[in-house]
Parts: sequence; structure tokens; C-alpha cells
Amino acid sequence: EPEVTQTPSHQVTQMGQEVILRCVPISNHLYFYWYRQILGQKVEFLVSFYNNEISEKSEIFDDQFSVERPDGSNFTLKIRSTKLEDSAMYFCASSEKIANTGELFFGEGSRLTVL
Amino acid sequence: GESVGLHLPTLSVQEGDNSIINCAYSNSASDYFIWYKQESGKGPQFIIDIRSNMDKRQGQRVTVLLNKTVKHLSLQIAATQPGDSAVYFCAENTGGFKTIFGAGTRLFVKA
Repeated sequence: EPEVTQTPSHQVTQMGQEVILRCVPISNHLYFYWYRQILGQKVEFLVSFYNNEISEKSEIFDDQFSVERPDGSNFTLKIRSTKLEDSAMYFCASSEKIANTGELFFGEGSRLTVL
Repeated sequence: GESVGLHLPTLSVQEGDNSIINCAYSNSASDYFIWYKQESGKGPQFIIDIRSNMDKRQGQRVTVLLNKTVKHLSLQIAATQPGDSAVYFCAENTGGFKTIFGAGTRLFVKA
């Protein structure tokens, strides 16, 4: 069964360092998303991406964050200068159709720990 | 503003009983609602969805009810099994690319 895969599963970094989280969405999907979940809290929307551009983003997704689909298969989230409060589980998701018409398929997440 | 939340943070049920997980939403413009299940160490997994032009939808052992008058959503799980133990999130779509998740309810199934 096709699945969304994410790497790394866990990354530990020092505050101020850049981090890139990688995702391989399901191959025929056209819509891509990043969410984050701080331990024990709800899943928060960060950004959606379609047709090689950001389609929507939340107030969390400030200038420190960027997304890219560099090669037609990977979808990356970059955090330029990590802060302690960026520590969270980051989930990538993809969908075949726009989000208000069908399910999102989530990866198993990348845990980011900022020290 | 938009918010999707849950009435109960934890729910404990006996194996074989029915479970009901509730959710309130505040954005009356939302027209698409989804329930996701999250098992420990995994990403959210789609369970069932419902559009605002419906008030009930059934799946395999699960039923979602939507009451637009009071902006309430519920997930019913019939004959709850140990494998149903997880955190359940309601989510709403605000009409496009953005799906907003609620706070989550942890379901414990006692054998």
C-alpha cells in the first residue's frame, strides 16, 4: 500500500541551527502539507503546497520556515534558525485531491528536538 | 475565529461497548469534517468524513453525526476493541487547502 515516508525519524539540533525535514509523498498525489504536533497537544497546520507553490499557510509558518519540492518526489520543510519552541513532531501529509474533498495521508513523523 | 475542540480529553470504555467521542466546532462556514485516529508513535489516520449537507454517515463500525444547529460532531464506534485505543481528532476544513485539527480525545479500551 502506498505510504508517505519521512526522514529523519528523530533529529536533535542546537538552537540556531538549520534543519531540513524530508518527505516523500504518495506518488500520484498533487497536494502536500506540513503539520506539527507539540508533545501531548493537537496537530497544528503549518502549510499546504500545490502546483509548486504555497497555497495556504498558518501564522506559525513565519519567515524561519520554508518548503520546497526540489525534484518532483521529495517535499522538504526547512527551519532556518531553530528555536527551543520548534521542538515538536512534524508530520508530512499528501492528498490526491484538494483537502476539502478527501482524506489526507500522513507520514509517521519526524521528531525534532532543539537543545 | 476558527476553533475545533473536544468536550472530553479521555474516555475509558469496556471492550465490546460502544464509544462516543464528541467535538464542538465554531466556524459555521466549515463544510467538511473529518475524524482521524492517531496511534502511539504514528501519524493521524483517516477514519471517516462528512459534508455539511449530511447529518449522518456510517462506515465499518463507525458512525459520524453532524449537528449544524449546535455545531457539534460526534464519532460513534460500535463494539469497541482493544485496537481502537488511540487518540481521536476531529478536524474541519475551512473550504480549501487547510484542515484544522481539534485538541484530541484519548480512548482507552479495557479488556
